[in-house]
Amino acid sequence: EDQVTQSPEALRLQEGESSSLNCSYTVSGLRGLFWYRQDPGKGPEFLFTLYSAGEEKEKERLKATLTKKESFLHITAPKPEDSATYLCAVQAVGGYSTLTFGKGTMLLVSP
Amino acid sequence: DGGITQSPKYLFRKEGQNVTLSCEQNLNHDAMYWYRQDPGQGLRLIYYSQIVNDFQKGDIAEGYSVSREKKESFPLTVTSAQKNPTAFYLCASSNPGTGDYGYTFGSGTRLTVV
Repeated sequence: EDQVTQSPEALRLQEGESSSLNCSYTVSGLRGLFWYRQDPGKGPEFLFTLYSAGEEKEKERLKATLTKKESFLHITAPKPEDSATYLCAVQAVGGYSTLTFGKGTMLLVSP
Repeated sequence: DGGITQSPKYLFRKEGQNVTLSCEQNLNHDAMYWYRQDPGQGLRLIYYSQIVNDFQKGDIAEGYSVSREKKESFPLTVTSAQKNPTAFYLCASSNPGTGDYGYTFGSGTRLTVV
């Protein structure tokens, strides 16, 4: 059974204080690892897909990295508008195209 | 603009009542999904459909039903057999046949039992 564990559950940062969110996973064979951002009361918004260990992707203040066991979402010099819940999900090779999600990390950035 | 439309945004259900949540997409995606989100639980898969007229149960299908009569539409019915239906419901779609496995999500429907 595929499993995704995200840590910490919640993180509070000051504006400009860089940090990282962790996503640990177990999957029979990884097709892809996905990061989403979710604002309260809204649907998740796609951020990144990572396919193989060593891969990195960046978007503005966010950078996602992948190893064989975990992924990190690095947030550099965050701003209050980066406050959201960040979701990690994995998709296994073979079978259907469903994603298994972690419980998310709630990020609050204070001015 | 292409996207997924979920309606209604808020829905109230009385005990013993069936309700249907709408999900429509104009992305020409083959696959569609329903997830349920509860505080502290993350997203859990209810049903999914890879093609028209075919769908499979997810991890928590009991008390729910779906249909996929058109490529664009994947409605979810919450039946009276679902004992704890209060949650945030998310519909998503993807096009795995193109090699793009990421989901596009709708804006969600919040269902409350009254």
